[in-house]
Formats: sequence, C-alpha cells, structure tokens
Amino acid sequence: TQTVSQSDAHVTVFEGDSVELRCNYSYGGSIYLSWYIQHHGRGLQFLLKYYSGNPVVQGVNGFEAEFSKSDSSFHLRKASVHWSDSAVYFCAVSPNNNRIFFGDGTQLVVKP
Amino acid sequence: NSKVIQTPRYLVKGQGQKAKMRCIPEKGHPVVFWYQQNKNNEFKFLINFQNQEVLQQIDMTEKRFSAECPSNSPCSLEIQSSEAGDSALYLCASSSDWGGDTQYFGPGTRLLVL
Repeated sequence: TQTVSQSDAHVTVFEGDSVELRCNYSYGGSIYLSWYIQHHGRGLQFLLKYYSGNPVVQGVNGFEAEFSKSDSSFHLRKASVHWSDSAVYFCAVSPNNNRIFFGDGTQLVVKP
Repeated sequence: NSKVIQTPRYLVKGQGQKAKMRCIPEKGHPVVFWYQQNKNNEFKFLINFQNQEVLQQIDMTEKRFSAECPSNSPCSLEIQSSEAGDSALYLCASSSDWGGDTQYFGPGTRLLVL
C-alpha cells in the first residue's frame, strides 16, 4: 500500500521568503512522484514530476523538488515566494501513472 | 495549463436524486480518471478508463455510480441515488498514456446534496 505523508498542514511565510514543503512516502516499487497545487475552489494544477534521473526536478513558476531515496522524500521548494503562491499543495504518488495517491495537503499562506 | 473541461461547475441535488457530471479530456488523451475530493482534502479514486473501456473502479463506484466514456462524446459520471456523503468536489483527469504520462485535472464539479 502506498502512503504519502505531508507533515505540515499549514505553512506561513512572507513574500520573498524561501519555502520548503515536506513530503515523505512509502512504497516498495517504481513510482512517479508529483506535486500539484490547488487554489481555493479550483481544480488541481500540475507543478512537476519525478520518475528517474536527476533527483532535482524543475517545475512551473520557479518551483523545484528533490527526490531522496534514502529518506523516501520528495520535498518541494521555492527560493522566493509570491502572494499568488498561496494555495494548498498536494504531494502525489502513483505506480506507473496508475491511480494517484495524494497526501493530505499543505496550506501555504504567503503574507505581503 | 490543463485543457480538461468539466461541467457543470456546481451541482445541487436532493437526497435520492440522480447527479450527473461530464468531462471532456484533453484532445488526444485516451486515459481518463475520476476522483472524489471531500471537504477534508481527502481524495478517493473512483474509476478510470482507457478509451471506452473501464480499467479499474472501486466497489462504491460499481454499486452506486454509473460512468462511461463513449467515443466522440464527453465522459460522464452519474450518481444513481445521491446521499449527503456524496457532497464533494469531483475531479476528472486525463493522460496521454496508461503508464507514464502526467494526469492533468479539470476544474472539478462541486456537488452539494441537501
């Protein structure tokens, strides 16, 4: 069974700050790891994905994530956040892009 | 940005009524997924299709939902007899390939069952 854990339910930062949203997973086989963003009342927007190769993957709007096999982690980072980055961020795991298993989400609040 | 279209955006039904929502996947995407997101941000996979064929579905979907992806028509998901617990955001996602490509999501249909 795949599990995805996002340890922080809420993260608050100021505009221009860097941010890291944490994600840990457990799964024994080959998986795709992704991050999605959901603005209030809207659908999920794809940010980035990792399957193999360079463990640091670049996504849209300046986001990047780093895969660590030893830590079973796939943390999302951004060097300088903007107020429009305020949203809920979901870490996701899928075996061979089969059904997605989502984490509980991290609510990011960016204060001006 | 995703080009998955979902209609209607909002749906209000009484208990026992049918609730039907539609999804047009991105052009050229033969794989379609439906998920349910409740108010606690918990996601539940419901069903997926490759072209017109159902590949996987959960027990709840098999018993109380009907879903299809006919050729040259929107995909649809219908709750046969709505329950209060069905109130949620229903998300449709499409992918270009069964094993490898990203799932792109639509804006969702928010169902409220009174």
